Amino acid sequence: AQSVTQLGSHVSVSEGALVLLRCNYSSSVPPYLFWYVQYPNQGLQLLLKYTSAATLVKGINGFEAEFKKSETSFHLTKPSAHMSDAAEYFCAVRNQAGTALIFGKGTTLSVSS
Amino acid sequence: EPEVTQTPSHQVTQMGQEVILRCVPISNHLYFYWYRQILGQKVEFLVSFYNNEISEKSEIFDDQFSVERPDGSNFTLKIRSTKLEDSAMYFCASSSQPVLAGETQYFGPGTRLLVL
Repeated sequence: AQSVTQLGSHVSVSEGALVLLRCNYSSSVPPYLFWYVQYPNQGLQLLLKYTSAATLVKGINGFEAEFKKSETSFHLTKPSAHMSDAAEYFCAVRNQAGTALIFGKGTTLSVSS
Repeated sequence: EPEVTQTPSHQVTQMGQEVILRCVPISNHLYFYWYRQILGQKVEFLVSFYNNEISEKSEIFDDQFSVERPDGSNFTLKIRSTKLEDSAMYFCASSSQPVLAGETQYFGPGTRLLVL
């Protein structure tokens, strides 16, 4: 069955520090993986996605993620955090039928100056 | 940039009342979805819709729920008789191709539903 686990419901970093948001997945089919960001009072916005091409995926706003099949992970990173990165981040995997997304619980990122 | 819109942004209703949540997907998209997020919990899939019929629904999407595309632009979620546990943020999404093709789903800002 498909599932996503996001380790850490809340991550705090200082401005300029590395951002690492963890996502592990379980999938009975080749996974398609997505990271979405949600800013306050806004919808979910796609940051990046993995759909079986390059394992290192670059997204918007300087974020990237690496698909590691052996570790069943798709962690999100950004070398240097900015105050505007404060938001909630969701990792998702496609369901088995490929008709919907299955989300993790989300990680709230706080950035302090 | 095209975006998915949802109305209302907030709705308060009494238990047992019917509510209709409205969504306007991106205009050239063909696949439509509803998700919900109960406070503090995961975003959960409710239903997907294509070619004027439901393609898949989750176990949450019981007989109290229905979806409709009443015209060429709107996509609605109806809850016939709301329960306290229906209180959640409801997200509409659309895509030009299905998730199976690796296509991105574009989400609206959500409707916060509170059932009293």
